Amino acid sequence: QKEVEQNSGPLSVPEGAIASLNCTYSDRGSQSFFWYRQYSGKSPELIMFIYSNGDKEDGRFTAQLNKASQYVSLLIRDSQPSDSATYLCAVSWDNAGNMLTFGGGTRLMVKP
Amino acid sequence: GAVVSQHPSWVICKSGTSVKIECRSLDFQATTMFWYRQFPKQSLMLMATSNEGSKATYEQGVEKDKFLINHASLTLSTLTVTSAHPEDSSFYICGAQGVWTGGPYNEQFFGPGTRLTVL
Repeated sequence: QKEVEQNSGPLSVPEGAIASLNCTYSDRGSQSFFWYRQYSGKSPELIMFIYSNGDKEDGRFTAQLNKASQYVSLLIRDSQPSDSATYLCAVSWDNAGNMLTFGGGTRLMVKP
Repeated sequence: GAVVSQHPSWVICKSGTSVKIECRSLDFQATTMFWYRQFPKQSLMLMATSNEGSKATYEQGVEKDKFLINHASLTLSTLTVTSAHPEDSSFYICGAQGVWTGGPYNEQFFGPGTRLTVL
């Protein structure tokens, strides 16, 4: 059974701070990792993907992957109230992003 | 990114009726479509995967005779919830994926979701 675990939150950070979202996964053979943002009542939208160990930066977002520890994180710098949403970690067994397994999501609240 | 539409966006029906949800890829050919269900405050749970022209593959615990999936073309997949009951009330989301051309990964594009309420 492939599992993806996230702290459900809510994670509350002040505007301008760094929000750190964490995710662990059980399948050591997982190949690619995705972070989605989901606003209430809406479908998920892709923020970042990563498949190599280390950091990957895109604007205010940085994804970090540690395959040895089976851990992936998302850092959001200069958090804005518009970043308030649920962040879903998803894991795939291949590099093509097939068969995503989603975590339960972490609710982020950025307070002005 | 590519656009995926779902119809209807919300539906209310009586218990025992059947409801059909359509998922369309508007500007690309979706060789694979995924159907998810999301209950309040929970994550997306994959129900089934369908490849165009083939029978859908259902996840464990999902009744294939209750959730009928048809992926008859490269731009359309339908999910029919047969004899719906209140416990089927949920947010249903489709994901569409085209042919992988060998890039970093093969992105799955999500539809806006369909909220089903069964009375």
